[in-house]
Amino acid sequence: DQQVKQNSPSLSVQEGRISILNCDYTNSMFDYFLWYKKYPAEGPTFLISISSIKDKNEDGRFTVFLNKSAKHLSLHIVPSQPGDSAVYFCAASNSGGGADGLTFGKGTHLIIQP
Amino acid sequence: DVKVTQSSRYLVKRTGEKVFLECVQDMDHENMFWYRQDPGLGLRLIYFSYDVKMKEKGDIPEGYSVSREKKERFSLILESASTNQTSMYLCASLLAGSPTSYEQYFGPGTRLTVT
Repeated sequence: DQQVKQNSPSLSVQEGRISILNCDYTNSMFDYFLWYKKYPAEGPTFLISISSIKDKNEDGRFTVFLNKSAKHLSLHIVPSQPGDSAVYFCAASNSGGGADGLTFGKGTHLIIQP
Repeated sequence: DVKVTQSSRYLVKRTGEKVFLECVQDMDHENMFWYRQDPGLGLRLIYFSYDVKMKEKGDIPEGYSVSREKKERFSLILESASTNQTSMYLCASLLAGSPTSYEQYFGPGTRLTVT
């Protein structure tokens, strides 16, 4: 039973345009959501997060939107740059402080075309 | 900057061998985690630890055990390696009780191949 779903295994976007990565979840107890970026042969690096009490969080070119009623979140990258080509993982936590670990989606491979 | 290091980047072992994967973090974090990443499956939690000597099973603990004798070190043990344990293993740490972030810091990963 997959609690965090990223239904697009890959996404191709032209450089300079907006990249939108989507994530759906089924567990209503999730209270915190994170996006991680991963390059091949490296560990994931934290990108941006959002608490369930908010609907938007912005950090530079990255914005995460949360729609609790739809159990859906999205990551917007504007403008997309070649260095953004990577696998993006959506993750969620349902415990105080994430101490019980994160539940990850399967990832979306973002490819930025020049 | 938090640094999480893993003892090996690449490892090749034979079926039936006992395998130790070591992870060290330098930020005095209480919480540590082991995940494995497989193509099309994302990251899955194997074991985690709240503190020294403490361990909890994650979603896929079968075939693994862990050890946490010191706060900075968390070891993953494959008692008898099997080919289905060929994977990328990722260690992470977390500062407990952070009021603003549940961010886990990851190491570079160990690519384990069991032949």
